[in-house]
Amino acid sequence: DQQVKQNSPSLSVQEGRISILNCDYTNSMFDYFLWYKKYPAEGPTFLISISSIKDKNEDGRFTVFLNKSAKHLSLHIVPSQPGDSAVYFCAASSIQAGTALIFGKGTTLSVSS
Amino acid sequence: GAGVSQSPRYKVAKRGQDVALRCDPISGHVSLFWYQQALGQGPEFLTYFQNEAQLDKSGLPSDRFFAERPEGSVSTLKIQRTQQEDSAVYLCASSLVARQGQYFGAGTRLSVL
Repeated sequence: DQQVKQNSPSLSVQEGRISILNCDYTNSMFDYFLWYKKYPAEGPTFLISISSIKDKNEDGRFTVFLNKSAKHLSLHIVPSQPGDSAVYFCAASSIQAGTALIFGKGTTLSVSS
Repeated sequence: GAGVSQSPRYKVAKRGQDVALRCDPISGHVSLFWYQQALGQGPEFLTYFQNEAQLDKSGLPSDRFFAERPEGSVSTLKIQRTQQEDSAVYLCASSLVARQGQYFGAGTRLSVL
């Protein structure tokens, strides 16, 4: 039973356009959400996070939106660049779950020039 | 280096063999985590240390898996009597405090034949 779901295995976007990666969760106790980017043969790299007391967090080209009522978050990348091509993982945690991060299966983003 | 370092990068083991995977966290990071990532999946939590104390080992799949961090820095994940289903990438992550963004190493890819 997956608590964090990334329903789109892949996404293709043109350079300069917006990339929107989606993530749904089932556990209402989750209160901290993170996005990671992973290149082949490397470990996941922390991108951006958001606490459940906020609905938006922005860092440069990356913005994460949180809709608690829908149990949904999204990562927006604007403008997309070819170097953004990677696997993106959504992760969540709760005090109840301790310190473990619960990851989705990932979405592979391809940005073409 | 400044990042999380894991060794070896690749390990091939015969079924039944014992293996030991090493993790050097970022200097000063109190929290250390081990995750297992199967092909096409997101990382799954195995265990968590705060300094030398193993505070959560709820994700360890069987008693063949054992982790230690005796001096609160380097950690070792040991798998005894390896089985084919143990084949995966084993990721180590560290953070300054628990529930902040965790910083991952490149992982050890274990193949059990």
